[in-house]
Parts: sequence; structure tokens; C-alpha cells
Amino acid sequence: DAGVIQSPRHEVTEMGQEVTLRCKPISGHNSLFWYRQTMMRGLELLIYFNNNVPIDDSGMPEDRFSAKMPNASFSTLKIQPSEPRDSAVYFCASTRRTQGNTIYFGEGSWLTVV
Amino acid sequence: RKEVEQDPGPFNVPEGATVAFNCTYSNSASQSFFWYRQDCRKEPKLLMSVYSSGNEDGRFTAQLNRASQYISLLIRDSKLSDSATYLCVVNWGRDDKIIFGKGTRLHILP
Repeated sequence: DAGVIQSPRHEVTEMGQEVTLRCKPISGHNSLFWYRQTMMRGLELLIYFNNNVPIDDSGMPEDRFSAKMPNASFSTLKIQPSEPRDSAVYFCASTRRTQGNTIYFGEGSWLTVV
Repeated sequence: RKEVEQDPGPFNVPEGATVAFNCTYSNSASQSFFWYRQDCRKEPKLLMSVYSSGNEDGRFTAQLNRASQYISLLIRDSKLSDSATYLCVVNWGRDDKIIFGKGTRLHILP
């Protein structure tokens, strides 16, 4: 079975540019999470969806960040405009919304904003 | 109090030794607990779930103390391949909000 698929794997962009990260969760999973990981702050939950509906976006740093999940098999995280402090690894993860189910991660999108 | 707290380490432990780390959580309503392992430049992967009665998987033992709101991970007979960052994970429950600790770095020394 395919795991969580993220794209792009690596991106280098200039400050001020728009960045769009994409995620395809595991088929049958109905919860999707976006995390950001840096050395200083660890793994931070940005936003998560249940059945395509955003449940908690309190971790989204500011208005420059937005996330959508138009259907059960696709989600995007957009940063506009990007800043150097946004440089991090962005992980998408999914799980089936049942107590105790394992959360599976994609391989991450490594973003560098210069 | 932070939602999920871990000692960042690093723990430098000789091969063959036993090492243990704890993780504390702030939400007493938390219902599910896990330990994940993350290797350098890789995604986190499930190591083991943590059950109320405690559970063991080979050299790894996980325990939950609800009264004191912490979970623990014990690694016996440590191997070089155990070197990684170990992340404590708490499922907040009703809304399935999943929170990770910042991780504890473990270095097994030859």
C-alpha cells in the first residue's frame, strides 16, 4: 500500500515567493495533519483535518499560512509570501479516526527560503 | 505547563546498557499514548503504543502513569542502531488532536 505522499521533497525559493506543499494521505484515512519541524522548536502541529474539515488551526503561525483539503485524497499547505524563517521540514501525516490508530508520516518537504 | 514535555538529552549511553526516558503531558483527558522514533533527516515512525497496563516489545518497555501524567520508555541491552530521537506522542482524545514532544536524542556509544 502507498504511504503518505508529499511533494515537493525539496524546494528552495526566494523570500516573497509563494510556496505550495502538497499531500496525499493514505487511502481510507480520514484525519490529516500538517506539522513543521525545526531544530529549535521541534515538531509543531500547524493544522489538522477530520473528514476534510479543519478542526484546529491554532498552530498556524500567521496569516501567511493557509491550508486546504478539497477532498479526502488531497491537501495543500500554502505560504504566501514566504520568509527565511519559514525554512523547515514540513510533514504531512494521516490516520484513521479511531482511538489508538497509528499516525503515518510522509517523507517531508524540505523548504529553504533564501 | 507545556502540552507534552521531554528531556531533550542527548543521552550518551554505552552499548549494552539500559536507558530510560520519561515524558509528561498536561491534559488529564488524554487517551492514547505512543512512542515514535525519528532518525536523522527522516520522518517519525511508530515505535510502540503505550497501554495502561504497560507493554513490552522485545528490548523495549513502555509504561503509563495516569496519576502523575507521564509515560516512560525503557530500552534494555542497547544497540548502536538504537541511536535516534525518541518522540513522545499524546492523542488529546475527542478531537484526535495529536501532539508530539520535542524528542529525546539518544546516542549509543561503541
